[in-house]
Parts: sequence; C-alpha cells; structure tokens
Amino acid sequence: AQSVTQLGSHVSVSEGALVLLRCNYSSSVPPYLFWYVQYPNQGLQLLLKYTSAATLVKGINGFEAEFKKSETSFHLTKPSAHMSDAAEYFCAVRREAAGNKLTFGGGTRVLVKP
Amino acid sequence: EPEVTQTPSHQVTQMGQEVILRCVPISNHLYFYWYRQILGQKVEFLVSFYNNEISEKSEIFDDQFSVERPDGSNFTLKIRSTKLEDSAMYFCASNKDNTEAFFGQGTRLTVV
Repeated sequence: AQSVTQLGSHVSVSEGALVLLRCNYSSSVPPYLFWYVQYPNQGLQLLLKYTSAATLVKGINGFEAEFKKSETSFHLTKPSAHMSDAAEYFCAVRREAAGNKLTFGGGTRVLVKP
Repeated sequence: EPEVTQTPSHQVTQMGQEVILRCVPISNHLYFYWYRQILGQKVEFLVSFYNNEISEKSEIFDDQFSVERPDGSNFTLKIRSTKLEDSAMYFCASNKDNTEAFFGQGTRLTVV
C-alpha cells in the first residue's frame, strides 16, 4: 500500500521568502511522485513529476523538488515566493505501471504575505 | 493545448436523485479516472477505467456508483441515489501510457 504525508496543512510565507513544502511517502515499490497545485475554484494542475530519472526535478513557475530515497521524501521548494503562489499544493504517489491510481497527501495551503 | 473537460461545473440535486457527471478526456488518452474531494479533505481515488472496463475501484465506489464510456469521447460517473455525504468536488482525469494524469476543472456536487 502507498501513502503520502504532507507536514503542515497551512504554510504562511512572506513575498520573496523561500517556500518549502514537505512530503514523505511510503511505497513498497519504486514510485512515481508528483506535485499538483490547486488554485481557488480550479482543478489540479501538474507542477512537476519524478519518474526515476534525475532526482532533482524542475517544474513550472520556478518550483523544484528533490527525490531522496533514503529519507522517502519529495519536498517542494521555490526560492522566492510570489503572491500568485497562494494556492493549495498536493503531493501524490503512483506505482510505476501505467493506469495506476494516484494517492494524494492531505494538501498544504500556502498563504503569501506582502 | 488539449485538456480534460467536465460538465456541469456545478450541480445541485436532491437527496435520493440520480446524477450523471460528464467528462471528455484528452482524445488520445487510454486511462480514465474519477477522484473526489470533500470540502476541506484530501483528494480521494474512486475508480480507474481502461479498455472499456473498470481496472480498479476504491471502497468508496460502491453499488451506488457506476462509470461508462458510452462513445469514443465521453466518460461519465453516475450516482444512482445521492446521499448528503456525496457532496464533493468530483474530478475526472486521464493519461496516456505511463505519463502524468491530466485533471479536469471539476464538478461541484451539492446534495440537499
């Protein structure tokens, strides 16, 4: 069975400050890992994905995440927060084979203060 | 850019009524999914569909739920007799081969 834990349901950062969202997973097989973003009243948009290639993954809007197998983590970072980053962020895990379901973490809501 | 389209965006229904949520996945995708998100909670998997049959379903997906791909483009989720606890945002998703899933904008279902 797979599971995803996101530490912190809410994170508040100042504009220009580092954004760090934590994600830890458990999986019995090598996983695919994803970060999705959900803006208010919108669907889920893919930020980035790890699919067993490079461990440091760069995504859209200046976000990146590093896969650390030893720590079973896939934390999301952005060096400098922008007001438009205010949203909810979901980490998700999937078994490698095609057609498998995503298992989501509980989500982290990011508030950006001016 | 191709996208997953869901209709309606909002649906209000009375308890006990049947509802059908509609989705048009991306045209060359092979795998289709429904997820739901109860307000304030995590996104939960409901069902996956491939080659015209259900490939996996969660314990949430009981006999009140069904899915169908009636033609080459639509993918529907039917709830036979809605309950108050079915109120949620329902997301359709699709993917091709081993790529990431693309999600629709969701249908907000409110059962009153």
